[in-house]
Amino acid sequence: GQQVMQIPQYQHVQEGEDFTTYCNSSTTLSNIQWYKQRPGGHPVFLIQLVKSGEVKKQKRLTFQFGEAKKNSSLHITATQTTDVGTYFCAGPRNQGGKLIFGQGTELSVKP
Amino acid sequence: DGGITQSPKYLFRKEGQNVTLSCEQNLNHDAMYWYRQDPGQGLRLIYYSQIVNDFQKGDIAEGYSVSREKKESFPLTVTSAQKNPTAFYLCASSIAPGRTSSSGNTIYFGEGSWLTVV
Repeated sequence: GQQVMQIPQYQHVQEGEDFTTYCNSSTTLSNIQWYKQRPGGHPVFLIQLVKSGEVKKQKRLTFQFGEAKKNSSLHITATQTTDVGTYFCAGPRNQGGKLIFGQGTELSVKP
Repeated sequence: DGGITQSPKYLFRKEGQNVTLSCEQNLNHDAMYWYRQDPGQGLRLIYYSQIVNDFQKGDIAEGYSVSREKKESFPLTVTSAQKNPTAFYLCASSIAPGRTSSSGNTIYFGEGSWLTVV
């Protein structure tokens, strides 16, 4: 069946280091979304990418949608302790459009 | 404030007991969802509803039941048939059910309910 995979599952960085999480879909996606879940919290929508090769930035966060619309990445420059949490990518299912989520990448930042 | 309200935040269930998690939204969203979150497994879809009085099974519906009698409400019952119910349960909603290309499938989550079997 359709799958969305994320790597790595965990990432531990020193504050100030960069961080990247990768998302790969088994099928072409019409769009991809990214969510952030703080420890003990609930997922919160960050951004949606729709176009092939699209790149969007939110301050220190850079989101990219692959040319084939099957992969995506989230890159954080110079991580801060406020970046701690789990980052999920999600894409619509081929049938019905409901989102299918990746397993998430848990980021911890050591001050 | 507009949003999704889940209750209770923490719930303890005895073996063989049914429990119901409440979810209410005032965002005027048509679609509502229930997800289960276990460590390292991301979010798994339990049930979803695209319109009042209609709902569909998700990927892990066994041992759960839902109802959608009102647009604002989508309660989830965890039945005694669910053998491993301890988890974090997230209710969510979106504007447009079934859209594949628009922002209508962006999901807004409630704060979640922690269910523990004792």
